[in-house]
Amino acid sequence: EAGVTQFPSHSVIEKGQTVTLRCDPISGHDNLYWYRRVMGKEIKFLLHFVKESKQDESGMPNNRFLAERTGGTYSTLKVQPAELEDSGVYFCASSRGTAGNTIYFGEGSWLTVV
Amino acid sequence: GQNIDQPTEMTATEGAIVQINCTYQTSGFNGLFWYQQHAGEAPTFLSYNVLDGLEEKGRFSSFLSRSKGYSYLLLKELQMKDSASYLCAVRIGTRAGGYNKLIFGAGTRLAVHP
Repeated sequence: EAGVTQFPSHSVIEKGQTVTLRCDPISGHDNLYWYRRVMGKEIKFLLHFVKESKQDESGMPNNRFLAERTGGTYSTLKVQPAELEDSGVYFCASSRGTAGNTIYFGEGSWLTVV
Repeated sequence: GQNIDQPTEMTATEGAIVQINCTYQTSGFNGLFWYQQHAGEAPTFLSYNVLDGLEEKGRFSSFLSRSKGYSYLLLKELQMKDSASYLCAVRIGTRAGGYNKLIFGAGTRLAVHP
């Protein structure tokens, strides 16, 4: 069974540009999450999809971040325009069903804004 | 607020036993996860505790005391490959949201020496 896959693995963009990160969850997992780790800090929750619906987006930092999950399969996270403080590792995770199930993480997309 | 504390770094000798502690103060609790993360890789699920007591899985065990807001991860017969970061994460959220939001500690970097 394939794990959570993310693309790109690394991205370097200039301040003001746009970047789109993609996540493919484990097949059959209705729950998809985005998390972020900025330099020296802990991993922090951004948002949670159940199928195509945003269940909880309380962790999204501001309106420069837009997450979508069309059709309830893969998800994209767009940062537009990117700022220096957006640099970090963006993790995607997925889980099956409801509470009590293991949450599996991808390897992350490393974003550097210069 | 949400607060999860774990030591920043630990060192241990190959073949020995090490205990990594985690204390938490969160608004709500629906289980505690331990993840292992090697540099540049995905956090990998190790254990999940929702009830008080000890969960054993091979060389790894995890303990939870909900009344004390305390957990530990015990690694036995340490191997060089166990050198990694160990992340403590508490699941919180709402019934409607599926209790699927993780609050992470900053992680403990474990170095295993020969």
